[in-house]
Amino acid sequence: QKEVEQDPGPLSVPEGAIVSLNCTYSNSAFQYFMWYRQYSRKGPELLMYTYSSGNKEDGRFTAQVDKSSKYISLFIRDSQPSDSATYLCAMSLFLTGGFKTIFGAGTRLFVKA
Amino acid sequence: GAGVSQSPSNKVTEKGKDVELRCDPISGHTALYWYRQSLGQGLEFLIYFQGNSAPDKSGLPSDRFSAERTGGSVSTLTIQRTQQEDSAVYLCASSPPLFRVETQYFGPGTRLLVL
Repeated sequence: QKEVEQDPGPLSVPEGAIVSLNCTYSNSAFQYFMWYRQYSRKGPELLMYTYSSGNKEDGRFTAQVDKSSKYISLFIRDSQPSDSATYLCAMSLFLTGGFKTIFGAGTRLFVKA
Repeated sequence: GAGVSQSPSNKVTEKGKDVELRCDPISGHTALYWYRQSLGQGLEFLIYFQGNSAPDKSGLPSDRFSAERTGGSVSTLTIQRTQQEDSAVYLCASSPPLFRVETQYFGPGTRLLVL
């Protein structure tokens, strides 16, 4: 079993739709939860991070963490064609000597105009 | 400011040849990571450098892979006797000094094709 599971999609939605992206994990020691966005032929860029259960909002994006269920989500409201990208979840814990970060496989999102 | 840069952006090589991939991290960043990303796959961790500590090489898939980081800055990933299954995008990322949460800043990647 992988430490982090993420449905690779692709997910195709019409412009303006609400998008829900999800990941599950198995290691309850993870402390930090992140979402990265990766455009085609580019490196991933950090979109949001959180370290507690609950919701964190940033503009059209909301990150949700449920530690009891080991489940995290990213919601995109009023999705735009420019949101078309691959979204990777990532989880970290701090160990002696540095962080251990595990990335999900990424979900490809297409927002149709 | 300047981000993480990688060179070359694309590399085509023949099976059995050695390749070197270069990463220039953001100035002042103490941590540097190498990942491999294959089509439809997530980021596969390869190696992690943190300051002057011994690198975490636990992700290197075979002894054909090695990496070094000179002077705590530039890093080179070397793949010896390349195989077709080594074809992938190799991503480098750097992070600022250890703080509350780790933020990795990625370069654009090197696309390696082994024929």
